[in-house]
Amino acid sequence: AQSVTQLGSHVSVSEGALVLLRCNYSSSVPPYLFWYVQYPNQGLQLLLKYTTGATLVKGINGFEAEFKKSETSFHLTKPSAHMSDAAEYFCAVTLPSGYSTLTFGKGTMLLVSP
Amino acid sequence: GAVVSQHPSWVICKSGTSVKIECRSLDFQATTMFWYRQFPKQSLMLMATSNEGSKATYEQGVEKDKFLINHASLTLSTLTVTSAHPEDSSFYICSARDWVSYNEQFFGPGTRLTVL
Repeated sequence: AQSVTQLGSHVSVSEGALVLLRCNYSSSVPPYLFWYVQYPNQGLQLLLKYTTGATLVKGINGFEAEFKKSETSFHLTKPSAHMSDAAEYFCAVTLPSGYSTLTFGKGTMLLVSP
Repeated sequence: GAVVSQHPSWVICKSGTSVKIECRSLDFQATTMFWYRQFPKQSLMLMATSNEGSKATYEQGVEKDKFLINHASLTLSTLTVTSAHPEDSSFYICSARDWVSYNEQFFGPGTRLTVL
């Protein structure tokens, strides 16, 4: 079975600072990995995903993540935080099988101060 | 593309009543739909997986008779919370996937259920 660990339930940054949200996974086979963002009382919006190919993945709103197999990591970064980035972020993993479900991390709340 | 809607977006009901939540895929055919429950400040917990025309597969610990799931068509799944109680109050989110992008799920906006 696969699992996801998100280090840090809360991350605080200043506007304009680098955003780094950590995600480590465990999987018996090379997984597919996702980052989602959730604003209060809303559903999940896909930021980016890694399936195969290029390990550096670019997503929406200036976010990107790099799949590092040797470190079993898929950390999310953004060079410069914006106030509108304040939200809950979830890392998720699934197996490259048509019958696999998504396993979510516990989430990281990103707080952005002016 | 790949839009999923939920209705209602929020509902308040009295204890003992039943509530139905609809999940629709608006621009694709959803071969599989998922229902999640999310408690405040927590992650999503998968409740059940449903394939069109088949009985839903429930996760361990989820009461089948309390949370009735129907996936009668390729664009609609419903979750009925039967005899709701205050402890059923939660944020319910559905997601859907099609046979093309079968590893990616598209999420609905969620339904906030409050049971008084």
